Amino acid sequence: DIVLTQSPDSLAVSLGERATINCKSSQSVLYSSNSENYLGWYQQKPGQPPKLLIYWASTRESGVPDRFSGSGSGTDFTLTISSLQAEDVAVYYCQQYYTTPYTFGQGTKLEIK
Amino acid sequence: QVQLQESGPGLVKPSGTLSLTCAVSGGSISSSNWWSWVRQPPGKGLEWIGEIFHSGRTNFNPSLKTRVTISLDKSKNQFSLRLTSVTAADTAVYYCARLYNGLDVWGQGTTVTVSS
Repeated sequence: DIVLTQSPDSLAVSLGERATINCKSSQSVLYSSNSENYLGWYQQKPGQPPKLLIYWASTRESGVPDRFSGSGSGTDFTLTISSLQAEDVAVYYCQQYYTTPYTFGQGTKLEIK
Repeated sequence: QVQLQESGPGLVKPSGTLSLTCAVSGGSISSSNWWSWVRQPPGKGLEWIGEIFHSGRTNFNPSLKTRVTISLDKSKNQFSLRLTSVTAADTAVYYCARLYNGLDVWGQGTTVTVSS
């Protein structure tokens, strides 16, 4: 199985500041035939299902604010929130859909400092 | 737009069978998507259980493979999860989801508790 390791496990950032979450994969999730990274980022608030924010590692899902961005390729990926808003408090997960079993990172809890 | 809704018993006895259904609305289950089940134990992270394609082809998490069945009913536009020999470790919120570019559509989730 592909293991995804997120860092940090928790993060406290001041409103308006940048938040950065990392996700490292135990093997590449870059599919050579289409040059796409099969890596997504999700936001989960209490009592709600996860919400897809980013797919193909860097493509923002429709309706997601542009303060959310994804980067990286191969085995190392980053989710960045450029200017933290109060509504961004949540747990964030990365997930690979390169191969089954699809796997998730352990989650990063983002709070307001 | 596509919406998903899980349904099924909220309480299952140990050694029993967990059975859930995911109703698809706003789109066809016969579209070229994989349909997944994901679970989340209380206070823990997300675990992918398995998926089914409209052809009936399935993939499962090896950790659950011997106990899981996923099927689809095209006439009702829904797909189902069956998990046998459940224990307390199977207590979780169970979600159904669509794989398009990532898991882009999720149901609200249904809580299943395994207890006598």
